[in-house]
Amino acid sequence: DAGITQSPRHKVTETGTPVTLRCHQTENHRYMYWYRQDPGHGLRLIHYSYGVKDTDKGEVSDGYSVSRSKTEDFLLTLESATSSQTSVYFCAISESRTGSYEQYFGPGTRLTVT
Amino acid sequence: SQQGEEDPQALSIQEGENATMNCSYKTSINNLQWYRQNSGRGLVHLILIRSNEREKHSGRLRVTLDTSKKSSSLLITASRAADTASYFCATVIGPTGGFKTIFGAGTRLFVKA
Repeated sequence: DAGITQSPRHKVTETGTPVTLRCHQTENHRYMYWYRQDPGHGLRLIHYSYGVKDTDKGEVSDGYSVSRSKTEDFLLTLESATSSQTSVYFCAISESRTGSYEQYFGPGTRLTVT
Repeated sequence: SQQGEEDPQALSIQEGENATMNCSYKTSINNLQWYRQNSGRGLVHLILIRSNEREKHSGRLRVTLDTSKKSSSLLITASRAADTASYFCATVIGPTGGFKTIFGAGTRLFVKA
């Protein structure tokens, strides 16, 4: 998990409340990603960023928004949390200069929506 | 079905045995990667194989890629209890339309001491 932190690591929230998860990197990597991991589904991409203020949707973006105002920070917001958003959320980074696009993952945030 | 699908879903072996996991995909790829995830942790990159490569080695890991069959395999030789984890293949497609990485659902490996 070198150079990537996520906060909070655990959160319990109620249906209908907004939630923001933070990903912070110290590697100065260009690309940042948010995934959710659910049993039987592997990792599914929510949103990704290819630069400051440059973001795009992944395969499961409904109900989520993101922002990246600095290279090192990528925020994921659940506008109005639902029980279906109970999951483990992972942030990842990658650096396009290598040409290989391997990703480095944070430790994850376990979110429970009651 | 998903771009990358691992087989088997779960595998239980004795320490010292070899473990083989397979990944199949549907579209042309730029490269294919394998990751490991220990319980409760983030994924860790293991090895990458490019579309023009057929085999790569890294320590006890051997990865093969058959683009004609759209499949890859990960072999872990002389397994150890510490290899117990979930293993994911990730296919990277692009550059047309931008690079995208798609993860499979994973293979859970249990190595018995």
